[in-house]
Amino acid sequence: GEKVEQHESTLSVREGDSAVINCTYTDTASSYFPWYKQEAGKSLHFVIDIRSNVDRKQSQRLTVLLDKKAKRFSLHITATQPEDSAIYFCAPGGAKLTFGGGTRLTVRP
Amino acid sequence: EAAVTQSPRNKVAVTGGKVTLSCNQTNNHNNMYWYRQDTGHGLRLIHYSYGAGSTEKGDIPDGYKASRPSQENFSLILELATPSQTSVYFCASGDGTGHSDYTFGSGTRLLVI
Repeated sequence: GEKVEQHESTLSVREGDSAVINCTYTDTASSYFPWYKQEAGKSLHFVIDIRSNVDRKQSQRLTVLLDKKAKRFSLHITATQPEDSAIYFCAPGGAKLTFGGGTRLTVRP
Repeated sequence: EAAVTQSPRNKVAVTGGKVTLSCNQTNNHNNMYWYRQDTGHGLRLIHYSYGAGSTEKGDIPDGYKASRPSQENFSLILELATPSQTSVYFCASGDGTGHSDYTFGSGTRLLVI
């Protein structure tokens, strides 16, 4: 089955700096690449996604880059704010999503 | 507002007892999913369903059963609970198109003693 890895379990940045969270996957059939955010003690909610027919998608301060050849996609957050502090999960797949282990992002004042 | 509602929010069960976790969605989504979240493992898929009457095994189905009696409801059943099933359980729904996001419930924190 699909194997999804987020190699950085933690990431710390200063407020206002950029953060990059990476995800690798193994299943070349994956066609949908979303990111989810989980704030402390809360459930997960959808952040941004990209489909396999494009390699870049931007929404305000968030950008997702997809490299299908390398089987890797990444979440870029610019001008980070304290409220960006959370665990971010990648979840490539199709109708069934496989989640990575998560990257805890801390934005320091 | 469309939503996914889980009950109970917290549950303490004894080893060997039966536990039922319930999930209700008002999104009219075809697909529903049960995940468990443990530190260091992210979310792991237990069972999922493509519609009423259907259940499929996920990646870690052992020790769990699922039931989907209607479009709206999806239950996770632990017939003989064990301490290793202590975890936070999340239910989610999705439209099944393969290119849209899931909606997650608030989670159920289960402690098996």
